[in-house]
Amino acid sequence: DGGITQSPKYLFRKEGQNVTLSCEQNLNHDAMYWYRQDPGQGLRLIYYSQIVNDFQKGDIAEGYSVSREKKESFPLTVTSAQKNPTAFYLCASNTDRSNQPQHFGDGTRLSIL
Amino acid sequence: AQSVAQPEDQVNVAEGNPLTVKCTYSVSGNPYLFWYVQYPNRGLQFLLKYITGDNLVKGSYGFEAEFNKSQTSFHLKKPSALVSDSALYFCAVRDGRTGGFKTIFGAGTRLFVKA
Repeated sequence: DGGITQSPKYLFRKEGQNVTLSCEQNLNHDAMYWYRQDPGQGLRLIYYSQIVNDFQKGDIAEGYSVSREKKESFPLTVTSAQKNPTAFYLCASNTDRSNQPQHFGDGTRLSIL
Repeated sequence: AQSVAQPEDQVNVAEGNPLTVKCTYSVSGNPYLFWYVQYPNRGLQFLLKYITGDNLVKGSYGFEAEFNKSQTSFHLKKPSALVSDSALYFCAVRDGRTGGFKTIFGAGTRLFVKA
């Protein structure tokens, strides 16, 4: 079955450490997204990519970095510059048509040790 | 600028009763509207969308939503609630005129269905 796989499901970060969250899709979608979810705040866009080797900052990109070397993969790195990284991170994808819904992975929950 | 408002943090309803989860939106162009549901520690699942056409849209699991252009609303409804409908519901909007990739999500409404 086609879908989006996020790993790991739970991740712990130490002070000063960078961590990378994996997102892989086999839906052949061009566009991929990273969102951060905090209680009561809905989803906030961190980065998005419309095509391989290209990506744009979202609303809260500071302290995060991404790459898009393959169509299937869009990893997110939470750097030590992100001072409040504790959140639920969701990866999504869709076709390049804006009238189509997004498909979501099951998320990675990141906590500080 | 695009925005979405879900005025209720939580909606409580008894099983078998009708339910409504409210959503209002603001976009410059034509709105593409979506409803998603999220269960604990899971990603969002798509329920239904309005792009154009009939104002009443039917979706998964017996849910429907009514688009009201004059009131800029897109309320989610179900005639008879189930306990298993208890979850977090998100309304989302995209500006169809610009064809942009950016989707704006509401803050979410938690639905609690009591047996």
